[in-house]
Amino acid sequence: EIVLTQSPGTLSLSPGERATLSCRASQSVSSSYLGWYQQKPGQAPRLLIYGASSRATGIPDRFSGSGSGTDFTLTISRLEPEDFAVYYCQQYSSSPYTFGQGTKLEIK
Amino acid sequence: EVQLVESGGNLVQPGGSLRLSCAASGFTFTYYWMTWVRQAPGKGLEWVANIKQDGSEKYYVDSVKGRFTISRDNAKNSLYLQMNSLRAEDTAVYYCARGSYGGVYWGQGTLVTVSS
Repeated sequence: EIVLTQSPGTLSLSPGERATLSCRASQSVSSSYLGWYQQKPGQAPRLLIYGASSRATGIPDRFSGSGSGTDFTLTISRLEPEDFAVYYCQQYSSSPYTFGQGTKLEIK
Repeated sequence: EVQLVESGGNLVQPGGSLRLSCAASGFTFTYYWMTWVRQAPGKGLEWVANIKQDGSEKYYVDSVKGRFTISRDNAKNSLYLQMNSLRAEDTAVYYCARGSYGGVYWGQGTLVTVSS
């Protein structure tokens, strides 16, 4: 099973700042089958990024994904108030399709 | 419009059984793998199981193997999760999602509580 470790656990930033979230895999994620989700309280997860770097339909271009192999990054270029939420990475390279433990992005 | 609507969540005693359903609409159900993902209260997401379009392949996370069974009825555009020998640690919101891993379309979730 591929274990995904996200860091930091909590990130405190202000609107307008840049956010960088990390996701490290215990073994290589082939073909960059890595996605990023945003989840707000009481809501289902929302897919932001798939294939490590492709934005899902309707996702603003301030969200970008990068990385390959075992190291992946989600960057939010300029934080908007609605971006404060929990973010999860997920690998779908090897079953079971595991999630990271999440990074909480909170308002500073 | 793609819609996924879960039902069947409830309070059940440890060792009991429950069957979750997911009604799909707004897309051709037979074209897609389908997935169950769960989230324990205040915790992260856990991929549980998925099933191929024709039901010929099914995969599970180790923690539910031998206890949970995923199935589908393509004539009814429905996905199911039969959960047996339930444990306290199975308490979670269960989401169904279109696709083999999660992806874009998710239901709103149904709450399963395992407690005496």
